[in-house]
Amino acid sequence: QQQVKQSPQSLIVQKGGIPIINCAYENTAFDYFPWYQQFPGKGPALLIAIRPDVSEKKEGRFTISFNKSAKQFSLHIMDSQPGDSATYFCAASGGSGNTGKLIFGQGTTLQVKP
Amino acid sequence: ETGVTQSPTHLIKTRGQQVTLRCSSQSGHNTVSWYQQALGQGPQFIFQYYREEENGRGNFPPRFSGLQFPNYSSELNVNALELDDSALYLCASSLGGGMGTEAFFGQGTRLTVV
Repeated sequence: QQQVKQSPQSLIVQKGGIPIINCAYENTAFDYFPWYQQFPGKGPALLIAIRPDVSEKKEGRFTISFNKSAKQFSLHIMDSQPGDSATYFCAASGGSGNTGKLIFGQGTTLQVKP
Repeated sequence: ETGVTQSPTHLIKTRGQQVTLRCSSQSGHNTVSWYQQALGQGPQFIFQYYREEENGRGNFPPRFSGLQFPNYSSELNVNALELDDSALYLCASSLGGGMGTEAFFGQGTRLTVV
C-alpha cells in the first residue's frame, strides 16, 4: 500500500523528443506528488509537484498529468535537451500520521541524445 | 542550488564503527528528514525531526538515531556499521512538519563501509 511503482527503468530519446515517465500508487490517502531530478553525485532536486485536485500542471518544459481514478501520474518533458539527461524520481506523501514522509519510485534514467 | 548543506561529502568507515553525519537546513525551515539511497535505488525514509523531536520513522533499526538542534540543523548517527549501510545519505529540509510541503535535498554524504 505504501509503494510507488515507476516505469520505465530507463529511457533514451532524441533531442527535441518528449520522454514520458509513469508512476502508479496504491494508497488513496496520498495527497502530494512531487518529481525530482538527480544528477550523478548530487542530491535530488525538486522539479514540479501536483496535488490530486488538479489533473495537469505545467512548469516550463515539465508537465505532470494526474489521473486520480487510475491512481497514476506521469511526467512529460517537452523539447528535451541533452542537459535533461539524469535520473528522475516520482514520489508521494500524505495520509494520517504520514508526517510528510516521501515514498519514492525506483527511478528512471533518461538519456537525451544530441 | 538549495540552501541545504551536508557534511562530510564522502566518508569511509570500517564495519562495527560509528558515524555521525550533519545537515544544515534551509533558512526558515524547521523540519529535517533523512533518507538512505542505495546505488540505483530511490531514497528510503529513515526518520524526520520537527522542532527538535522525532516526528516519524521508517523501517530502520534503532542503531540509526538522530538529533535536531535549536537552530534546526540535524545529525544522523549510525552505530555498529554494517557493509549494507554503504549508501548516499540525504538530508531534506522542509517547513511545518513536512506535511505536503516542498522538501529540498542537500547534496548527500556518500558513506562507504569496508
